[in-house]
Amino acid sequence: GDSVTQMEGPVTLSEEAFLTINCTYTATGYPSLFWYVQYPGEGLQLLLKATKADDKGSNKGFEATYRKETTSFHLEKGSVQVSDSAVYFCALNSGGGADGLTFGKGTHLIIQP
Amino acid sequence: GAGVSQSPSNKVTEKGKDVELRCDPISGHTALYWYRQSLGQGLEFLIYFQGNSAPDKSGLPSDRFSAERTGGSVSTLTIQRTQQEDSAVYLCASSLHAGGGGELFFGEGSRLTVL
Repeated sequence: GDSVTQMEGPVTLSEEAFLTINCTYTATGYPSLFWYVQYPGEGLQLLLKATKADDKGSNKGFEATYRKETTSFHLEKGSVQVSDSAVYFCALNSGGGADGLTFGKGTHLIIQP
Repeated sequence: GAGVSQSPSNKVTEKGKDVELRCDPISGHTALYWYRQSLGQGLEFLIYFQGNSAPDKSGLPSDRFSAERTGGSVSTLTIQRTQQEDSAVYLCASSLHAGGGGELFFGEGSRLTVL
């Protein structure tokens, strides 16, 4: 079945540091890939997505590129801020009947001033 | 409404009691999803509705769990004879329609604690 593996947290960085959160997946066919973010006390919200190989999703300074050859969708940001502290979830949608998302376990990111 | 609304936000119950969790999706969204978020386990898909019907119930953990949706809007997730392992945050999400490309809009969740 479909699965998503992302790096365990917490990840602690200083402000303005470079961020990479790794995500790899296993899926049938050609899934769409997503990053969701959950800020403290809030619901999950879509951060960015990519629907086909080599697509790059971007939002709020974050980027992720759909790499079919390595089945990866790593999240990157060049200079993180304290306000980026949150839990980040990588997810995929294989387009099956459920249309639900398969999520990774989440990576807790802590940015220190 | 403006967003997905869930109630109660927190529920503490005793083992063996029944609980009901409610989800009010974004107006006009035909697809509705329930997930469970347990510590260290990520998000676990439970069930989804397209309109009032549930084509996929495969994620429900046991027959103690059931869900319904009426009027193509509000959904209720019911857990009977709660167990301590049911303690988790139950998340509801909606999307414009199934097959909508995976952009789901989530509520803030209902945190269930079973003593």
